[in-house]
Amino acid sequence: GAVVSQHPSRVICKSGTSVKIECRSLDFQATTMFWYRQFPKQSLMLMATSNEGSKATYEQGVEKDKFLINHASLTLSTLTVTSAHPEDSSFYICSAAPGQGPVGYTFGSGTRLTVV
Amino acid sequence: GEDVEQSLFLSVREGDSSVINCTYTDSSSTYLYWYKQEPGAGLQLLTYIFSNMDMKQDQRLTVLLNKKDKHLSLRIADTQTGDSAIYFCAESTGGFKTIFGAGTRLFVKA
Repeated sequence: GAVVSQHPSRVICKSGTSVKIECRSLDFQATTMFWYRQFPKQSLMLMATSNEGSKATYEQGVEKDKFLINHASLTLSTLTVTSAHPEDSSFYICSAAPGQGPVGYTFGSGTRLTVV
Repeated sequence: GEDVEQSLFLSVREGDSSVINCTYTDSSSTYLYWYKQEPGAGLQLLTYIFSNMDMKQDQRLTVLLNKKDKHLSLRIADTQTGDSAIYFCAESTGGFKTIFGAGTRLFVKA
C-alpha cells in the first residue's frame, strides 16, 4: 500500500534556530502533499497544501515566511520552521493521497518538535 | 463554514461494542472517513463510506451514515485493548481537501 515517510520523528531545537522536516512518498508520486499541525488533544489543523513545482497554498492565519514549504520533486516535500519559538512546539504531520476521491490520505508518522 | 464535530472521550470494557459518533455540516460531502491515531503516530485510514451509502461493514467495523441528519457513526465490535486510540471523523467533497473532527479518545478497560 501507499507509504509516506516523515523524518525526523522527534527534534529538539533552540529558540531562534530553524528546523527542516521531510515528507516522502515512498511508492507513489504525489503532486500534492499536505502539512498539518496538531495541538495536544486537538484535531489536525491544515497549515498548507504543497504543490510540486509551484508555490504552496497556505491556510488563513499561517505565516508563509515562518513555515517554508518546498516541494521540489514528486516524492518529497519539506517544511522548514524558521526562527523557531517555544510556541511553535507541536506535532507536525504530512500527508499525501495516491489519487483523488475515496482513497483518503496516507499520513506520515509525524514529527514532534520541541523548541527550548 | 464546514465543520465536523465528535465527542471527545469514550470508555468501554474489553469485549463490548464501541460506538463513536460524528456530525458534519457540509451537505455536499461526498466521502466520509474514519481514521485511527495511536500515541505519537500519524493517522491510519480505517474505513470510508460514500455519501450515497447508508452502511458499510468491514470485519469488526460498521459505519452508519444518516445523510439527512448529517450523522456518521463507527461501531467497533468486540473492542480490544489494542483499539485504544484517537478516532477521527473526516469529510471531503471529492477533491483533496478534507475536514477533520477533533477526534474521540477511546479508552478500553480490561
